[in-house]
Amino acid sequence: GDSVTQTEGLVTLTEGLPVMLNCTYQTIYSNPFLFWYVQHLNESPRLLLKSFTDNKRTEHQGFHATLHKSSSSFHLQKSSAQLSDSALYYCALSDRASGSWQLIFGSGTQLTVMP
Amino acid sequence: ETAVFQTPNYHVTQVGNEVSFNCKQTLGHDTMYWYKQDSKKLLKIMFSYNNKQLIVNETVPRRFSPQSSDKAHLNLRIKSVEPEDSAVYLCASSEDTGGFEQYFGPGTRLTVL
Repeated sequence: GDSVTQTEGLVTLTEGLPVMLNCTYQTIYSNPFLFWYVQHLNESPRLLLKSFTDNKRTEHQGFHATLHKSSSSFHLQKSSAQLSDSALYYCALSDRASGSWQLIFGSGTQLTVMP
Repeated sequence: ETAVFQTPNYHVTQVGNEVSFNCKQTLGHDTMYWYKQDSKKLLKIMFSYNNKQLIVNETVPRRFSPQSSDKAHLNLRIKSVEPEDSAVYLCASSEDTGGFEQYFGPGTRLTVL
């Protein structure tokens, strides 16, 4: 079945260093949508960015990601981490492999940025 | 204010009781969802409702049932709660299915004693 894998459960880094959160997915559907949602402490998840187009960089709020269908990846990156980036990040996949649209979330990566 | 609203914020109950959670969206969206976020922060879709079509995640126990009066409301009923139902239940909505952004409500935290 479809799945989303986020290999890092917890990432801790120092303010100013680059961020890279990994996301790979598995689906038989050829045109999936990929998303990154962010959830800050005591808040609900909200969309950070999304993509549908192969090999096109998507950017929002200093973060960027590129959907690579050849490697089934959608890694999240930022050039310089800020304290306010500390949050739980979910990668998610939307496709119609089952006949109707479904959104599947990865297990999440908790990012902690230290001063 | 346009958003997704959920009530109650918290609910504590005993095993075997019935509970109902409410969700309302004022965004004019056509699709609504219920998610369960467990203690490990795993986020799993339970139901989606679009144009009177209900999509059920096959792993959801039968004691859970969604209830919708119109496209702006999607409530969740749990007939006889069990300890493993303790979680945060998040309601969300989107314009349509597929690649549309989902907007989440603040969540209802359920504790089953």
